[in-house]
This record gives sequence, C-alpha cells and structure tokens, in this order.
Amino acid sequence: QVQLQESGPGLVKPSGTLSLTCAVSGDSISSNNWWSWVRQPPGKGLEWIGKISHSGSTNYIPSLRSRLTISVDKSKNQFSLKLSSVTAADTAVYYCARDSDYGDYFDSWGQGTLVTVSS
Amino acid sequence: DIVLTQSPATLSLSPGERATLSCRASQSVSRYLAWYQQKPGQAPRLLIYDASNRATGIPARFSGSGSGTDFTLTISSLEPEDFAVYYCQQRSNWQTFGQGTKLEI
Repeated sequence: QVQLQESGPGLVKPSGTLSLTCAVSGDSISSNNWWSWVRQPPGKGLEWIGKISHSGSTNYIPSLRSRLTISVDKSKNQFSLKLSSVTAADTAVYYCARDSDYGDYFDSWGQGTLVTVSS
Repeated sequence: DIVLTQSPATLSLSPGERATLSCRASQSVSRYLAWYQQKPGQAPRLLIYDASNRATGIPARFSGSGSGTDFTLTISSLEPEDFAVYYCQQRSNWQTFGQGTKLEI
C-alpha cells in the first residue's frame, strides 16, 4: 500500500520560499504515475497546484507557474515543491498525492502539512 | 478554467436516509469527474472516478452518475461515518475542484 509523507517548515516569512518534500513508500516514484501537490487554505476548498512525472516532466497551475517548481529525486523516492515570493494567501495545508492509474485523479494522499506565511 | 459548482453547500440528514449531492460544470467535462470525501483533519479520500466507478474499497452505498455538465453523488443509506465534506473534481481541462458540500447530521 502506497504511503506519502510531507515534511518541511511550518512557518515561512513573507517574500520567502516555501519548500516541502514528499517521501513515497510502497510504490516507486519511477512508476507511470504522476505525482501532485494539492493545497487547502484553512477552512476552504482544495486546489491542485502542480504535478511531476518520474521523468521530470511538470505541469503547473497557470496562476502559480512563475513561482512554483516541482522536482523529483528518484534516488530517495521523493518529490519536492518550492514556492517562491510567498504571501499570506499561500497559507494552507499542503498535500502530496499520487495521480491514479485511471487518470488525473488522486488515489493516495499524504496526511498534509500546514504551512503558515507570517512574519 | 472549468468551474465546478456544488449544491447544496450544506445538507442536513439523518443516518439511514438517502443523500443526493450535485456538481455542475461550467462546460462539458465528458465523464471525467471524481468525488472525494474529507473528514476533519484528514486528507481527502477518492470515492468515485470517471463519474460512476467506485474506487478500491469504497462501499456499494456510494454511487455516482452523470455526464457532460451535471453529476450526482448518491449515498443510498447514510452511515454515521459518512458525515463529512464531499468534493467533486474534474480532469477534462487541468484539474479543478468544486467548493464542497458539507453533509451534516
């Protein structure tokens, strides 16, 4: 059974860079699946923000494309997110997730990590 | 962008009753729609994909229907553990979610 675990700082200063890592177990990051990041501001809905394949191909939501970088480390079976120039609007629970075998749905999720942007 | 609008925002029912949740897309998504359940403090769980296919391990009381722009998630007889927030998600054009329906007792 695949498991995903997010890690990273819970507090980031405005204008700084938000960095998170998702460690994958029970599946290979080199599988045919894509690997995504989804965020959820406190008390609000879900927003898919980007994904990466095992080969390093990426898709980003247009509104974040200039600030977002997702990368993969096959040797560690993990993938990462960097979001630059953050503001309070980037405060959210960030989830990593696996895209399913039957399309761009999310069949496995990490438990989520809250990142607060504040000075 | 494809906007998904869920209704109602809140649905108040009792265990044993039937729940019907709606998701409407701003343009056709064919059958490329999924439903998720999210409980407080937990990650979402995939229930239904491609409009009507149950994900692995999902009980038969959950069913999905629809195509094009109008979709429905039905829970035939509510169990206490079904009270949660439900989201729809489309994959026809990028991946976007609806704003959620809270199913409360």
